[in-house]
Amino acid sequence: DVKVTQSSRYLVKRTGEKVFLECVQDMDHENMFWYRQDPGLGLRLIYFSYDVKMKEKGDIPEGYSVSREKKERFSLILESASTNQTSMYLCASSLYRSNQPQHFGDGTRLSIL
Amino acid sequence: RKEVEQDPGPFNVPEGATVAFNCTYSNSASQSFFWYRQDCRKEPKLLMSVYSSGNEDGRFTAQLNRASQYISLLIRDSKLSDSATYLCVVVGGAQKLVFGQGTRLTINP
Repeated sequence: DVKVTQSSRYLVKRTGEKVFLECVQDMDHENMFWYRQDPGLGLRLIYFSYDVKMKEKGDIPEGYSVSREKKERFSLILESASTNQTSMYLCASSLYRSNQPQHFGDGTRLSIL
Repeated sequence: RKEVEQDPGPFNVPEGATVAFNCTYSNSASQSFFWYRQDCRKEPKLLMSVYSSGNEDGRFTAQLNRASQYISLLIRDSKLSDSATYLCVVVGGAQKLVFGQGTRLTINP
């Protein structure tokens, strides 16, 4: 079974803090993704990566950055957290081929105070 | 128009009933389709892929209609444990998955 692990289930941070969300997958997947999920808005893609040291902007990259130094790890960074970044953050991974489904981590519920 | 559209529901059906959801997509070049299930406060989990010829997995049947650009999910003999939000997913350009907003289903005893 694919295992995608996110570092925290719940996280509370303050406005202006730099926040790191970590995601690790154990299936040697090339593709990794970060989403946020909000009521009424569904899943929205923030950033994704097809390979080490490679990143692409998703639909809502503003206020976020990512890092992929190793194939198994994809980090999401909130440079200066704001209250509108309070959300559920979901990491996913998949094999390189385009017809493969994504497998999700448990999610991180982030609250910015 | 949204790339992927679903009726958000909620659908409330009695246990044992048959229920069906549709999902429409706008990109006619889309090649891969999935249904995911998401329980409250949990991550989405793959329910089944959708193949061109239609496919079945136990009580679940998925179908694709390319001409009308929609996919469907049929659940027969529904169980209480089927209560969840069902997400329609379409693979768009550059291997990006596009998620519908989900259809909430509640099975009542």
